[in-house]
Amino acid sequence: IAGITQAPTSQILAAGRRMTLRCTQDMRHNAMYWYRQDLGLGLRLIHYSNTAGTTGKGEVPDGYSVSRANTDDFPLTLASAVPSQTSVYFCASSDEGETGELFFGEGSRLTVL
Amino acid sequence: GQNIDQPTEMTATEGAIVQINCTYQTSGFNGLFWYQQHAGEAPTFLSYNVLDGLEEKGRFSSFLSRSKGYSYLLLKELQMKDSASYLCAVRDSNYQLIWGAGTKLIIKP
Repeated sequence: IAGITQAPTSQILAAGRRMTLRCTQDMRHNAMYWYRQDLGLGLRLIHYSNTAGTTGKGEVPDGYSVSRANTDDFPLTLASAVPSQTSVYFCASSDEGETGELFFGEGSRLTVL
Repeated sequence: GQNIDQPTEMTATEGAIVQINCTYQTSGFNGLFWYQQHAGEAPTFLSYNVLDGLEEKGRFSSFLSRSKGYSYLLLKELQMKDSASYLCAVRDSNYQLIWGAGTKLIIKP
């Protein structure tokens, strides 16, 4: 069982370039999330999707966009990367059980120069 | 505003017991989570508390007091592999997760 797969694992990007981080899950979870994790800060929610066809803004959505064309895929796009977007990005999904715990992908380390 | 506080770093000895505290101030409460995150890896789910009291799961236990806005994660019989960051998160009234910055636990032989 793969769970959640993210790609790329790591990327160095020039400022101003467009970048899409891919996220695919095989657990048939309705809810999916994108977080960024920076040293000394808690995970911060960028965007989320409660079900295919719907998306919502999290705590830090500026400079990012998402789409949810189907249940499995939830790509995150940086339209024009800036150095402050250097971070580790985690995609996650959750089921609708009692806890609604999150299942995370392995992360994508992005460096914007 | 919403806030989760936990110590930045703790050190403990292999075989010992350690308690990691988490205090929170959030808009509503719909459960508290603890996740473990090894360096360079993804967070993984450890425990969930929604009612007051202690939840035990093997060497790990988690306690919640909603009236005090307080939780702790108790790790017993520490092993070197327990060296990791431990993340506390609270689900608020909008069912959004608010995350603490994490506690880095260093285990010494």
